[in-house]
This record gives sequence, structure tokens and C-alpha cells, in this order.
Amino acid sequence: DTGVSQNPRHKITKRGQNVTFRCDPISEHNRLYWYRQTLGQGPEFLTYFQNEAQLEKSRLLSDRFSAERPKGSFSTLEIQRTEQGDSAMYLCASSLGRVYTEAFFGQGTRLTVV
Amino acid sequence: QQQVKQSPQSLIVQKGGISIINCAYENTAFDYFPWYQQFPGKGPALLIAIRPDVSEKKEGRFTISFNKSAKQFSLHIMDSQPGDSATYFCAAAGGSIQGAQKLVFGQGTRLTINP
Repeated sequence: DTGVSQNPRHKITKRGQNVTFRCDPISEHNRLYWYRQTLGQGPEFLTYFQNEAQLEKSRLLSDRFSAERPKGSFSTLEIQRTEQGDSAMYLCASSLGRVYTEAFFGQGTRLTVV
Repeated sequence: QQQVKQSPQSLIVQKGGISIINCAYENTAFDYFPWYQQFPGKGPALLIAIRPDVSEKKEGRFTISFNKSAKQFSLHIMDSQPGDSATYFCAAAGGSIQGAQKLVFGQGTRLTINP
């Protein structure tokens, strides 16, 4: 499968614990995005990488959230001291570095904080 | 602040009918308007997209109509089939630094096609 891959697919954690998600984009894509989707809502932009550089972060990304993309390949999203309000689907997408190109989404990681 | 408003929230259409979903946007810097289809447990997948230099784009049974002056666009699904039952999201992008495709999504429409 050459699409965007996200792991794990599901994560249940206790409030206050740290969690880390991984995204492997399509290999030739140099842009990588993270979105968050809550039940019944559309995805909301969190952050964006061009190669290894994190170029934009949403105000939704509190200081408990951190994202990295070492060497411009896979990316990780870490949430520290999780809260119940962090429960959501975390989606990763990737695209080529051109304007108006399709963003391909992974299947997401569903986080449940109990 | 919701920049893309989508309606209706849910829609039931008979097989063979036309499904119509509408979106309105506020930010005039938007210049790319895709529609995504999402099945349960899956990520969104691009269905069709339009730029504001055209008023309509058709791909198979799917058509986007775009009204720049009204800041509205809509998705029409002709000859709707049960396999089209999914959640549909309109989105908009543009005006970001370096042309990034930072998508702003609508709230989604849950479409059900009755056989």
C-alpha cells in the first residue's frame, strides 16, 4: 500500500498520560499536514510541514502538542498530559509541493482519553 | 469563527435521484475548493475540486457549481447510488504562506441513498 499510513489506528489512554502518533506520508510528497476531527465535525487544521520545516501552527495546537518531521520523512504528533477534550480522530495528510495539488489523507488515529 | 458553512447536515435521497449539498465561504482569499468523501473509519478522499476561474466542473456523476460573487459553491451527485452513502465535506484553501493547501472544512453532510 503506497498511501498515507498512520499508526496506531486506535489509542485509549488515561487522562494525564502522554501519547505519540506516527504518520508515514506518500514517499515523494514533501508537504505533510496534521488535522483533528471530532465526532460530527469536519477536520480542523493543526500544523503543516514543508520537508522537515514546520511552517505553520494553528492556535488549536496548545503547548501540550508537539509535532516533528525529522529528515522530512515520517512525522510524529505528541500530546503531553492528555485531557478528555483531546479525544478525537487525528488525521495526517500529504501532498506534493505545488499549489492546488491533492492532499491525500491517512485513515487516522482515533484517540480516546478516559 | 467558521469560515465555511455547509448545509444540510443530513440528506436522504432515493436511488437515481440528485443529491445537492451547498457551501458558503467568507474569506475572499480562498481560491481552491475541493469536495471530500468520507466513509466510516476512513480518512477523507478527494472527490472533485474547482478553482474560481470557472463556474462549473463535471467529473462523471459529480458536478461542482461555483458562484464567486455570492461566495457559494455546491456539489451535485446525479443518479445517486447506495454506494454514494457517506459523509461529504466541502473545503476551501488559499491565501496561506507559500501556497500551502491549508484546508478549511465545512461541518459535513451525511448522505444516505435509499435503494
